Amino acid sequence: GNSVTQMEGPVTLSEEAFLTINCTYTATGYPSLFWYVQYPGEGLQLLLKATKADDKGSNKGFEATYRKETTSFHLEKGSVQVSDSAVYFCALSDPRGAGSYQLTFGKGTKLSVIP
Amino acid sequence: GAGVSQSPSNKVTEKGKDVELRCDPISGHTALYWYRQSLGQGLEFLIYFQGNSAPDKSGLPSDRFSAERTGGSVSTLTIQRTQQEDSAVYLCASSFVAGELFFGEGSRLTVL
Repeated sequence: GNSVTQMEGPVTLSEEAFLTINCTYTATGYPSLFWYVQYPGEGLQLLLKATKADDKGSNKGFEATYRKETTSFHLEKGSVQVSDSAVYFCALSDPRGAGSYQLTFGKGTKLSVIP
Repeated sequence: GAGVSQSPSNKVTEKGKDVELRCDPISGHTALYWYRQSLGQGLEFLIYFQGNSAPDKSGLPSDRFSAERTGGSVSTLTIQRTQQEDSAVYLCASSFVAGELFFGEGSRLTVL
């Protein structure tokens, strides 16, 4: 079956440091890949996505590239801010027909950014 | 409303009681999902509704769990004869574009 593995946290960084959160996946088909973020006290929200190999998703200074050869979708940001402190979830879609997508999530990585 | 609304936000119940959790999705979203979030376990898929199609119930952990979606809108997740291991945050999400889910803030269930 499908699965997502992401690096265990928590991750603590100083402001302006470089961030990488690793994510690898196992899928039988050709999934789309996503990063979701959960800020303290809020619901999960979509951060970025990529729908095919070599696509790069980007948003709010975060980037991730869909690497089919290494089955990876690592999240990166060049300079983190305190406001980036949150839990980050990597996810993949399980296409079961037009318009139907169950998402499989990783366990989440908690990021804390200190001033 | 503008977002996905869930109620109650917190529910404390005694072992063996039944509970109902409600989700009001974003208007016009055809897909609705229920997930369970436990500490250290990530998000566990429970059930998925898409339009008028039969729901995908493959994630429901036991027959004590059921869900319905009335009129293609509001959904209710029911847990019968609750057990302590059912304690978790239950998340509802709706979607219009495949894979792009909008989540509610969740219903935290504590079973004593």
